[in-house]
Amino acid sequence: DAGVIQSPRHEVTEMGQEVTLRCKPISGHNSLFWYRQTMMRGLELLIYFNNNVPIDDSGMPEDRFSAKMPNASFSTLKIQPSEPRDSAVYFCASSSLPRATEQFFGPGTRLTVL
Amino acid sequence: AQRVTQPEKLLSVFKGAPVELKCNYSYSGSPELFWYVQYSRQRLQLLLRHISRESIKGFTADLNKGETSFHLKKPFAQEEDSAMYYCALKSYNTDKLIFGTGTRLQVFP
Repeated sequence: DAGVIQSPRHEVTEMGQEVTLRCKPISGHNSLFWYRQTMMRGLELLIYFNNNVPIDDSGMPEDRFSAKMPNASFSTLKIQPSEPRDSAVYFCASSSLPRATEQFFGPGTRLTVL
Repeated sequence: AQRVTQPEKLLSVFKGAPVELKCNYSYSGSPELFWYVQYSRQRLQLLLRHISRESIKGFTADLNKGETSFHLKKPFAQEEDSAMYYCALKSYNTDKLIFGTGTRLQVFP
């Protein structure tokens, strides 16, 4: 198993552009989490899904951010329009809740908004 | 409010020295606590969890409910321990993990 897969690994875009980050969880996992990592705030949970249903999106910073999980093997995090302060590393993680609490992380997408 | 505090952004020690990475939490109930680690060019991964009471790579962490702490300790640091360490809290009624801001451990030869 390749683990959690994220694409792209790096994204550089200009302010105002739409950005879409993609995640493929580990096969068989039923929960998926999106995190944002910055120097100042560390790792922040943005949203998580259980069985493809969004359970808690209280961490989504504002309406410019949206996330979808159309099926068990794919999720997207979209930022529209992007702003320089969105620059961060975005991680996706998956887990087999409630049996297992360990989360398995992807390699992350480093986003730079100019 | 649930919160995890890691007061040190950077901890530097020499090889063979003891290490203690501090973690304090704020939670009114009985939390589950974890340490995650991110080595250079690798993914964030689980190091240990308090309910397992295990020692992983020589690291241990004891939950102290009186002091609301879950410090990570190792008696003799190794160069390969250099990494970013995150303390995380999971409350019993949610699947969310709340992470601290992380501590970078540097072990010099």
